[in-house]
Amino acid sequence: GQNIDQPTEMTATEGAIVQINCTYQTSGFNGLFWYQQHAGEAPTFLSYNVLDGLEEKGRFSSFLSRSKGYSYLLLKELQMKDSASYLCAVSNDYKLSFGAGTTVTVRA
Amino acid sequence: DADVTQTPRNRITKTGKRIMLECSQTKGHDRMYWYRQDPGLGLRLIYYSFDVKDINKGEISDGYSVSRQAQAKFSLSLESAIPNQTALYFCATSAVTSGRMGSYNEQFFGPGTRLTVL
Repeated sequence: GQNIDQPTEMTATEGAIVQINCTYQTSGFNGLFWYQQHAGEAPTFLSYNVLDGLEEKGRFSSFLSRSKGYSYLLLKELQMKDSASYLCAVSNDYKLSFGAGTTVTVRA
Repeated sequence: DADVTQTPRNRITKTGKRIMLECSQTKGHDRMYWYRQDPGLGLRLIYYSFDVKDINKGEISDGYSVSRQAQAKFSLSLESAIPNQTALYFCATSAVTSGRMGSYNEQFFGPGTRLTVL
């Protein structure tokens, strides 16, 4: 079975940093994805990790520890447009299993 | 622009009605998926197809059926809709993407269909 946990909600101030944690217990693992989803819109790809360590992509970074079943998404220099849901997803055999998502609210 | 489209975008129907949601893609991808999204539950996989002759059940396939009419088209049917099928439905396609991390299977989502069953 698949069990993917992430916090339901987080709030941060414009310009700050927020870290969204994701823990997983899955029957198979081919990598971990992070997607961003604005309200009422489709999810869009943010990052992919398959090896342990940190992947940096502009203001967004993603970290993976396979031995701990743990990942985080780090959002730096928060902007109002970053207010969205962030979805953690584990890949196995070309299928994705998603966490419930973390809604991030950025306040001025 | 290569894209994933879904029709209809919104649908209100009554219990017991048959409903079909359609998905088309111009990305040329072989793999297609149907998900539903409910508040607090995230995206859950209903059915997936890795090519025209391949259909597989996901984690919540009961009450649903699919048809892969062509590489570009993947339809989801609710034979007899019930209120707990009220949800946001997403179609997705995937292909292998090459990046700094090597090759990975990125999924591309359509805009979604909001279905309400009364």
